[in-house]
Amino acid sequence: DAGITQSPRHKVTETGTPVTLRCHQTENHRYMYWYRQDPGHGLRLIHYSYGVKDTDKGEVSDGYSVSRSKTEDFLLTLESATSSQTSVYFCAIRGLDYGYTFGSGTRLTVV
Amino acid sequence: DQQVKQNSPSLSVQEGRISILNCDYTNSMFDYFLWYKKYPAEGPTFLISISSIKDKNEDGRFTVFLNKSAKHLSLHIVPSQPGDSAVYFCAASVEGAQKLVFGQGTRLTINP
Repeated sequence: DAGITQSPRHKVTETGTPVTLRCHQTENHRYMYWYRQDPGHGLRLIHYSYGVKDTDKGEVSDGYSVSRSKTEDFLLTLESATSSQTSVYFCAIRGLDYGYTFGSGTRLTVV
Repeated sequence: DQQVKQNSPSLSVQEGRISILNCDYTNSMFDYFLWYKKYPAEGPTFLISISSIKDKNEDGRFTVFLNKSAKHLSLHIVPSQPGDSAVYFCAASVEGAQKLVFGQGTRLTINP
């Protein structure tokens, strides 16, 4: 398997609490992405990074922030979780051949 | 503003027959298209891709067709096997762009 792992795999949190999801890669790829998957919407881009400390917004970035202090780690933070952020979150890395490799996902439930 | 659309949420096909999954796009700047397959509790995995300079790309049982004038692509699976049961996402990008835009997905079920 490509070296990309997400943690945690599952999380239940309360509305209004901060939550941080972690994506770790061992491939030394420059580009990393956070997507969320929801029924009827497919995969939607939240934020992405094109290098250490270089990040940009995707199509559904409101309520989310990211940080990338090292090549291998890309963190997604929900500053104050809401029920609308209940979703499955996928991290991805992009290889030189333009292909994306996805992690196994984090299922987040906000109650 | 859904730039990539998969209008069939689900598709059921008999084992051994052909499965055809469809995808439409609106952005004429897209020039690279991909199909991903996703099993439950796993991340999507790359299946096959096509550049806009081609109208067909084949890889084993999987063939992707691109009709640029209609802004339509399709994935053909022949013959369909039980292990093909999964959710299929089409995705598109502009060459050199940093982002993939995904469709909503189609759940394919192969019946024995």
